[in-house]
Amino acid sequence: QKEVEQNSGPLSVPEGAIASLNCTYSDRGSQSFFWYRQYSGKSPELIMFIYSNGDKEDGRFTAQLNKASQYVSLLIRDSQPSDSATYLCAVSRAGNQFYFGTGTSLTVIP
Amino acid sequence: GAVVSQHPSRVICKSGTSVKIECRSLDFQATTMFWYRQFPKQSLMLMATSNEGSKATYEQGVEKDKFLINHASLTLSTLTVTSAHPEDSSFYICSATPGGSRGDSPLHFGNGTRLTVT
Repeated sequence: QKEVEQNSGPLSVPEGAIASLNCTYSDRGSQSFFWYRQYSGKSPELIMFIYSNGDKEDGRFTAQLNKASQYVSLLIRDSQPSDSATYLCAVSRAGNQFYFGTGTSLTVIP
Repeated sequence: GAVVSQHPSRVICKSGTSVKIECRSLDFQATTMFWYRQFPKQSLMLMATSNEGSKATYEQGVEKDKFLINHASLTLSTLTVTSAHPEDSSFYICSATPGGSRGDSPLHFGNGTRLTVT
């Protein structure tokens, strides 16, 4: 069983819609949860992190965490073509253990 | 804050030569840095964990004698690809976290080094 699982997509949404990206993790000891965006040919950049159950909003982005279900999601409101990228979900545990999903490819259609 | 600088961004070398890639944490100290490799259209693959003042920890299948890692200070780790071959051509990315070993701070990535071996 993989540590972090994501649907590889591709996920396509029209401009202005809400994009919903999902991620599950296997280890209940995971303590921190991150979303990265990676444009083609570039390195990942951090867009959100969440530590506690519930929602965390930052601009057009909302991260949601449900530790009981071992589920993390990222919502992107008012999606823009510039949001088209691969989104990586990552979890961490104490001792500097980080685990990445394989990423979900998002395309926002103008 | 939490900027990671990686150099060079792009390198082309001949088969059999060695290439050194530097990774620096600019505004924080990093006892641990991570080196990843990514082939086109594939996911990130952790190669090794670089520990300041001690030996790096390599992932299964990564040759430690081929990918030499030196973490000489709290702000600098280097990856040397020795005797590079065309199959080593890839996108190499370093990362570090300002959170020590707690695991509660995010990883921040360098801009990556695109290595092409001819």
